[in-house]
Amino acid sequence: AAGVIQSPRHLIKEKRETATLKCYPIPRHDTVYWYQQGPGQDPQFLISFYEKMQSDKGSIPDRFSAQQFSDYHSELNMSSLELGDSALYFCASSGEHVTEAFFGQGTRLTVV
Amino acid sequence: QKEVEQNSGPLSVPEGAIASLNCTYSDRGSQSFFWYRQYSGKSPELIMSIYSNGDKEDGRFTAQLNKASQYVSLLIRDSQPSDSATYLCAVNTLGGYNKLIFGAGTRLAVHP
Repeated sequence: AAGVIQSPRHLIKEKRETATLKCYPIPRHDTVYWYQQGPGQDPQFLISFYEKMQSDKGSIPDRFSAQQFSDYHSELNMSSLELGDSALYFCASSGEHVTEAFFGQGTRLTVV
Repeated sequence: QKEVEQNSGPLSVPEGAIASLNCTYSDRGSQSFFWYRQYSGKSPELIMSIYSNGDKEDGRFTAQLNKASQYVSLLIRDSQPSDSATYLCAVNTLGGYNKLIFGAGTRLAVHP
């Protein structure tokens, strides 16, 4: 069965650079979530989209923005990267009415 | 107070024993409850979902929900070394229709 696809899997950026993370949800899933997970920490909710509209916002820095496109894929844009942005970034998707959410493999971002 | 709380562990159990993982949540209106398993450096994997009071069994896993006490638990019977992982409790909060809030996770170690 198709799963959530994230790209790239690994990304190394320098401070103050920009990064774009992509997420392709499971087919027919209309909700996408983004989470940030630092080493030894629980996943922190960043933002979610439902039917291409932002539906909820968590602890997403102003330097980050995200959107969901007409094909339901989502992109997380991160600017002015800081060392503290180094983390695993997970995308998850779910169907209507928030049933189970399934995670992608994640993108490991390292800021040097 | 965190919205979703778990004991961080580690919880150490011998192989073949029952592992009991607990989670409490603060939003009384929460409707959906999930348990995820996460191996180090990997993405969370959904193992159980529960929506109504009582028990739900799936193989060696049993989820228990008590909305009056705002408490959800996961029992793992016949624990195996391969069950050693971090178990994340996730709750869909009433305030955010498309937002799953995670607990910090409980690290489980099953020793032979």
